[in-house]
Amino acid sequence: KAGVTQTPRYLIKTRGQQVTLSCSPISGHRSVSWYQQTPGQGLQFLFEYFSETQRNKGNFPGRFSGRQFSNSRSEMNVSTLELGDSALYLCASSPWGSFSYNEQFFGPGTRLTVL
Amino acid sequence: KNQVEQSPQSLIILEGKNCTLQCNYTVSPFSNLRWYKQDTGRGPVSLTIMTFSENTKSNGRYTATLDADTKQSSLHITASQLSDSASYICVVSAENTGNQFYFGTGTSLTVIP
Repeated sequence: KAGVTQTPRYLIKTRGQQVTLSCSPISGHRSVSWYQQTPGQGLQFLFEYFSETQRNKGNFPGRFSGRQFSNSRSEMNVSTLELGDSALYLCASSPWGSFSYNEQFFGPGTRLTVL
Repeated sequence: KNQVEQSPQSLIILEGKNCTLQCNYTVSPFSNLRWYKQDTGRGPVSLTIMTFSENTKSNGRYTATLDADTKQSSLHITASQLSDSASYICVVSAENTGNQFYFGTGTSLTVIP
């Protein structure tokens, strides 16, 4: 069974640009969650999508948005990039939801650098 | 304030030795507690997930304990291996009007031969 895949693995952008990251969950998983990881703040929860609907959201500004398609693949978009958005962006999939009593499987992450 | 604190921040042990990592939390209302292992440059891997009714859960050489009364959890690693060198992250989820995850800052474990 293929694991969670994320593309691209590395990205370099400049301030003010926007970026779209992609995540393909494990086949059959309906939940995809996104996380930001930085050395200073550690791991932080961005949002969760389940069956194409945003179900939970962390404390991030509206510049961070996402969506989920009917095949459960998900995209995350960050508009008007800031230097502080430089981070490792991780997605995770699970069968019944990130907050339910089931295991989450993480992808390898996308390393975003904002110059 | 909902917080998760892990200790120690870093730890160095000899291969073959045991170690215990700590996680204290003040998250309420508590839903579940997870331990993850994260190798450098890779995504976290789930080790255990526990609800308030579970005291102990094992995954191979990893054993997590949970005391919901004192709001403490520990992760015990038995007979450590070089491949155990990683960051170990404790995550507590709160189930209320808006589900949230609260993350510890992790314990960096280095196993030396």
